[in-house]
Amino acid sequence: GESVGLHLPTLSVQEGDNSIINCAYSNSASDYFIWYKQESGKGPQFIIDIRSNMDKRQGQRVTVLLNKTVKHLSLQIAATQPGDSAVYFCAEKRNTNAGKSTFGDGTTLTVKP
Amino acid sequence: GAGVSQSPRYKVAKRGQDVALRCDPISGHVSLFWYQQALGQGPEFLTYFQNEAQLDKSGLPSDRFFAERPEGSVSTLKIQRTQQEDSAVYLCASSRGETQYFGPGTRLLVL
Repeated sequence: GESVGLHLPTLSVQEGDNSIINCAYSNSASDYFIWYKQESGKGPQFIIDIRSNMDKRQGQRVTVLLNKTVKHLSLQIAATQPGDSAVYFCAEKRNTNAGKSTFGDGTTLTVKP
Repeated sequence: GAGVSQSPRYKVAKRGQDVALRCDPISGHVSLFWYQQALGQGPEFLTYFQNEAQLDKSGLPSDRFFAERPEGSVSTLKIQRTQQEDSAVYLCASSRGETQYFGPGTRLLVL
């Protein structure tokens, strides 16, 4: 069956450093990928997305890279701040405009001051 | 202009009780999703509506789970005869296009 997974359940970085969070997926039919941030007691918050016809997409302080050959997705956060501390999930969809998202289990990012 | 709201935020039920969880999506959002999130895990899809039509209910774990959205806006997730394994956070999300906007969730504890 399909699955979306993250390589590491926890990541600890120093404030100001760059963070890289990785995700592997198994469904080659996936055509849309999303990164979410979830803070304690809140629902997931959209960070950035990427379609399967792209390799890289940049946002404000965040970059998502997609390697379809090895079915790997990564989220890079530049100049990590204490407010970035949260659980990060990757998710995939087969259709960009409809249908469910399949989530991985999350990476907990801790930013040390 | 408010986001997705859910009520109640917390619910404690005795095993065997029925519960109803409410979701108020963002106004104008056609699509509405329910997810179940166990502690320490990612959200798991339960069901999906487009307007009032339930297009996918493949994630509902048993026939004790029922969701409705009769007028295409507010949705209710009902769990009958709750079991301890139903304890989780139930998340609702709505969307008009690609991006799903999540509510804060309802934390259900079944004793």
